[in-house]
Amino acid sequence: RKEVEQDPGPFNVPEGATVAFNCTYSNSASQSFFWYRQDCRKEPKLLMSVYSSGNEDGRFTAQLNRASQYISLLIRDSKLSDSATYLCVVRLGGGYQKVTFGIGTKLQVIP
Amino acid sequence: NAGVTQTPKFRVLKTGQSMTLLCAQDMNHEYMYWYRQDPGMGLRLIHYSVGEGTTAKGEVPDGYNVSRLKKQNFLLGLESAAPSQTSVYFCASRGSSDTEAFFGQGTRLTVV
Repeated sequence: RKEVEQDPGPFNVPEGATVAFNCTYSNSASQSFFWYRQDCRKEPKLLMSVYSSGNEDGRFTAQLNRASQYISLLIRDSKLSDSATYLCVVRLGGGYQKVTFGIGTKLQVIP
Repeated sequence: NAGVTQTPKFRVLKTGQSMTLLCAQDMNHEYMYWYRQDPGMGLRLIHYSVGEGTTAKGEVPDGYNVSRLKKQNFLLGLESAAPSQTSVYFCASRGSSDTEAFFGQGTRLTVV
């Protein structure tokens, strides 16, 4: 089983739609969770951290379910500019601790 | 705002040639990383450094060497390039108390 698993997609959604991605992780000792965004042929950039209580940043909502070992990203009112690959990132702990990236989920928002 | 700068951005090598990729960061970060990204594989850690003068192996270190003689620079070397090393290479850095890692723009390497 992969340490971090994501559906690679692509998810093709119309503008204005709500879309959700899930990511599962295998190591129950994982402590930190993030979503990164990567545009085509560009470097990954932090979208948001994921907190235990769930957190929201504008149209983006991230949630963590420790019992089932998955995190989710919800995007409301999708924009064309949201088209990108979304990487799930899991870290074991603070300082230097092992960081594992998922393969990413590709989102294409269609006019 | 330079952030993390990688050079070169593109390179084509012949099998057996050597080269060095340079990563430079101006954020006084302790941690620096080299990843490779291949289709369907995600980002995989090659080597990392937790401070000046220190390096350690990551997930896929074979065929690569690294050095961190100065805090701001992290070099990745390929001694004898192989076609399997065709990939996009990303450098990243992070402060010891930070959650966010900052990535360079990537180096697209093709080994023929």
